[in-house]
Amino acid sequence: QQQVKQSPQSLIVQKGGISIINCAYENTAFDYFPWYQQFPGKGPALLIAIRPDVSEKKEGRFTISFNKSAKQFSLHIMDSQPGDSATYFCAATFGSSNTGKLIFGQGTTLQVKP
Amino acid sequence: NAGVMQNPRHLVRRRGQEARLRCSPMKGHSHVYWYRQLPEEGLKFMVYLQKENIIDESGMPKERFSAEFPKEGPSILRIQQVVRGDSAAYFCASSPQGAANQPQHFGDGTRLSIL
Repeated sequence: QQQVKQSPQSLIVQKGGISIINCAYENTAFDYFPWYQQFPGKGPALLIAIRPDVSEKKEGRFTISFNKSAKQFSLHIMDSQPGDSATYFCAATFGSSNTGKLIFGQGTTLQVKP
Repeated sequence: NAGVMQNPRHLVRRRGQEARLRCSPMKGHSHVYWYRQLPEEGLKFMVYLQKENIIDESGMPKERFSAEFPKEGPSILRIQQVVRGDSAAYFCASSPQGAANQPQHFGDGTRLSIL
């Protein structure tokens, strides 16, 4: 019930294409869904986040789409660039617990080919 | 650099030794989280601390692992009698509050290798 399932495990996209990463969760108590970007040898960095009362959030080339009824959310990277090559993690957390501990998906390694 | 500072960046220990990992949160942050990342896996929550208090240690192994965040100084994650399975990257994150929608800022981790 505390799992967040992420797919695909790896993704190769051509420069200028759209990268799509999907996540699904079971526990409806989750109410905050951030995405993190991680480069090799570095810590995860917050990219964009969404709450379940919003169906879509866009920041620059990054968009989160949220489907509350299906308990799914996805990250879209428009006009993908080689500099976007990194590992992406979706996450979820419980607002009711008020501790903020993050439950992470397994990660997606994105490679954008020039 | 006002970010989360972790040291050492790399730590090598032999089986049975102790490992101490340190984390200095961002300035003004009094909430610290520790996560472990095994090879080819996502990050797993270990423990959440505020100054001088452990708030949630539900992800900590029952034995050999402990954490503290003293009034002065960095947060410490301590692993006693290390085993090969402890080899992983350990990340610390800090936030200004422990609420669910407060962004957590991560350090660059400590890569622990057990010989």
